[in-house]
Amino acid sequence: QQPVQSPQAVILREGEDAVINCSSSKALYSVHWYRQKHGEAPVFLMILLKGGEQKGHEKISASFNEKKQQSSLYLTASQLSYSGTYFCGTEMGDYGGATNKLIFGTGTLLAVQP
Amino acid sequence: DAGVIQSPRHEVTEMGQEVTLRCKPISGHNSLFWYRQTMMRGLELLIYFNNNVPIDDSGMPEDRFSAKMPNASFSTLKIQPSEPRDSAVYFCASSLRLAGGSYEQYFGPGTRLTVT
Repeated sequence: QQPVQSPQAVILREGEDAVINCSSSKALYSVHWYRQKHGEAPVFLMILLKGGEQKGHEKISASFNEKKQQSSLYLTASQLSYSGTYFCGTEMGDYGGATNKLIFGTGTLLAVQP
Repeated sequence: DAGVIQSPRHEVTEMGQEVTLRCKPISGHNSLFWYRQTMMRGLELLIYFNNNVPIDDSGMPEDRFSAKMPNASFSTLKIQPSEPRDSAVYFCASSLRLAGGSYEQYFGPGTRLTVT
């Protein structure tokens, strides 16, 4: 039930781009993305809802393929501050809409070097 | 805005002792979540509340774990008796949930629990 993230880790130079993928075996209502720096709490980045609506930061883009139950996070022109572990959180729906229950993926460690 | 407040930030205890973790959600938020994070199991949802009512506790590992939310501004997670395998970082998060939609969660700084 835990979503699978890929890659597990990626190393970039400043200015390079990266894509992080999240895949679920369950039908999803939404996908959430969070970034966690070492020793800190996860911080919200973006929500992608079925139907195409997105909520989140302007400088981060993502996609959600409802048919495949997959989401991708696109990090362009990476900066040193992008370093951290990225988690996707998948949410299923019920008759009332969103369940509000997130199942987090295994995480992708991103290191941006000067 | 003070954000989600958790206490203590660090707790070291001996096996068999009772441990109580505390959380104050962001004022006005109506959903509260307790998570546990370890290297082996990642970030796991233990239990969550909507409007102070426990909705899903399927992630609570054993009867040794219990959580309460007596009012909108306070929640506790208790472990009794504690065991070394309970060592982890415990996060509390809150969100404002409206009419069945999906909303961002705001995490507290976490409590690092070590059981020896």
